[in-house]
Amino acid sequence: SQQGEEDPQALSIQEGENATMNCSYKTSINNLQWYRQNSGRGLVHLILIRSNEREKHSGRLRVTLDTSKKSSSLLITASRAADTASYFCATDAGESQGNLIFGKGTKLSVKP
Amino acid sequence: DTAVSQTPKYLVTQMGNDKSIKCEQNLGHDTMYWYKQDSKKFLKIMFSYNNKELIINETVPNRFSPKSPDKAHLNLHINSLELGDSAVYFCASSQMGSPLHFGNGTRLTVT
Repeated sequence: SQQGEEDPQALSIQEGENATMNCSYKTSINNLQWYRQNSGRGLVHLILIRSNEREKHSGRLRVTLDTSKKSSSLLITASRAADTASYFCATDAGESQGNLIFGKGTKLSVKP
Repeated sequence: DTAVSQTPKYLVTQMGNDKSIKCEQNLGHDTMYWYKQDSKKFLKIMFSYNNKELIINETVPNRFSPKSPDKAHLNLHINSLELGDSAVYFCASSQMGSPLHFGNGTRLTVT
């Protein structure tokens, strides 16, 4: 069954604004990953946060993980038009290597 | 230097045909995967495979079969194509415990 659920399904903001996307999941995890997908392209890994971590940063990206609520958030600060893409969370429950369970994604549109 | 490459990018075929999608990775990863992304962007794993083990998602029809001639290649064969097989298929690879590297997808359209 589907593990991750992103919220919102779509988000439209102006350049320079921050974008926050949320992800909820159902079972215990080893780690949670965020990926970006540009239109017509494959997914690109952005950041991985382990179950014993609460927050992680990478450039303009900030990811939080709350295992008690089974939720994660991805914050993109000072967004750019090039950030326009779909963003997916994926959970690794560790049952099978690489068997990530993806959510349906948040479609982010950043207007110049 | 494309890390994970898959061909063809587009595949249009008729119901009942048999087709293959090829995937190659030059990252030296030990595990490769096939994912299916439907029209609603939902991404679901179909297979994962390393030299020792093929793990099949039980919901995948047996018309789909992965074939790995060597560690760097994992091809996907589909027999007796159906309309519902239309989707974008992604190949990916990873090293144990590391994030996945995806190809750019093959858009399959069955008419």
